[in-house]
Amino acid sequence: KAGVTQTPRYLIKTRGQQVTLSCSPISGHRSVSWYQQTPGQGLQFLFEYFSETQRNKGNFPGRFSGRQFSNSRSEMNVSTLELGDSALYLCASRMGAQETQYFGPGTRLLVL
Amino acid sequence: AQTVTQSQPEMSVQEAETVTLSCTYDTSENNYYLFWYKQPPSRQMILVIRQEAYKQQNATENRFSVNFQKAAKSFSLKISDSQLGDTAMYFCAFIDPGNQFYFGTGTSLTVIP
Repeated sequence: KAGVTQTPRYLIKTRGQQVTLSCSPISGHRSVSWYQQTPGQGLQFLFEYFSETQRNKGNFPGRFSGRQFSNSRSEMNVSTLELGDSALYLCASRMGAQETQYFGPGTRLLVL
Repeated sequence: AQTVTQSQPEMSVQEAETVTLSCTYDTSENNYYLFWYKQPPSRQMILVIRQEAYKQQNATENRFSVNFQKAAKSFSLKISDSQLGDTAMYFCAFIDPGNQFYFGTGTSLTVIP
């Protein structure tokens, strides 16, 4: 069974631009979560989607948004990029409640 | 609020030796799950081990085992016979009944040849 995939793997943007990241979960997994990982802040939870509905949300500004499609694929969008948005963005999927999360390789975003 | 604390930002161990990584958490829940994840340098985060809070028996996976102390809210990871491939960032994580994951800040482990 294929693992969690994320595209693109690397991205360079400039301040003020917007970006869309994509995540394809493991087949059969209906939950997709997004995390921001930085050296100083560790792993910060952004949001989780389950069956196309946002189930949980972390403490990030409204510039960070996401959605999930009927095939469980998810996208995350960041508008009006700031230098501090430079990070590794991780996607993780799981089958359901109380299940183990499986992570993708991440998208490394650099904002100049 | 749920929190996960890893008090050791960095650790090192000699190859073939044993090392223990500490993790404490805070929750008022009774049923939950705990995890240790490993993130090798520039590589994908993978699950090391999982523990259900309702189980008194400590989970083991080959060279990896946990010491789960529910009353103390402690969940340490023991790595036996350390190998060079164990060099990684290790994250302790907790999932609450609301299904949200909480991660610690990580412990960077270096295995020295």
